[in-house]
Amino acid sequence: GENVEQHPSTLSVQEGDSAVIKCTYSDSASNYFPWYKQELGKGPQLIIDIRSNVGEKKDQRIAVTLNKTAKHFSLHITETQPEDSAVYFCAASMSNFGNEKLTFGTGTRLTIIP
Amino acid sequence: EAQVTQNPRYLITVTGKKLTVTCSQNMNHEYMSWYRQDPGLGLRQIYYSMNVEVTDKGDVPEGYKVSRKEKRNFPLILESPSPNQTSLYFCASSRGTGAAEQYFGPGTRLTVT
Repeated sequence: GENVEQHPSTLSVQEGDSAVIKCTYSDSASNYFPWYKQELGKGPQLIIDIRSNVGEKKDQRIAVTLNKTAKHFSLHITETQPEDSAVYFCAASMSNFGNEKLTFGTGTRLTIIP
Repeated sequence: EAQVTQNPRYLITVTGKKLTVTCSQNMNHEYMSWYRQDPGLGLRQIYYSMNVEVTDKGDVPEGYKVSRKEKRNFPLILESPSPNQTSLYFCASSRGTGAAEQYFGPGTRLTVT
């Protein structure tokens, strides 16, 4: 099955600086790569996603890049703000007999230092 | 308001005492699933359901049961809980399949002593 590795497990950045979280996946058949943000005491929430026919996608201060050849994708947050502090999960999805199952990474705890 | 609700939010129980965690969604989603979240292991899928009366195992199904008798509800059953099932549990729903946007509930923190 699919295996998703995520690094780093913790990340601290100064407010206003950029943060980058990286993930690698094992199965070249995976074609959908979402990122979820989990705030304290809440369930994860989708913040951005990318499909395999696109190399980069941006939404305001958040961007995701995908390198299918190397089987890795990254989340970039620019001009970080205190509300960006959270746990971030990457995931990869491949079709499996009709169930396009999501496999999550192990998470990155991002702390923004004021 | 579109949402996924879970009850209870916190539960402390003893080994072997059957329990049920309820999950309900009001978005008419076909796909529902249960995950457990453990430190250093991320989110792992326990069971999923692609529609009413259609359920299947995820990555870590041992010790759990589910049922899907109605589209909106997807309860998680622990027939004989053990301490290794102490975890944070999330129910999620999506329109279509697991690759669509997952809407997560607020979580249930379970402690088994």
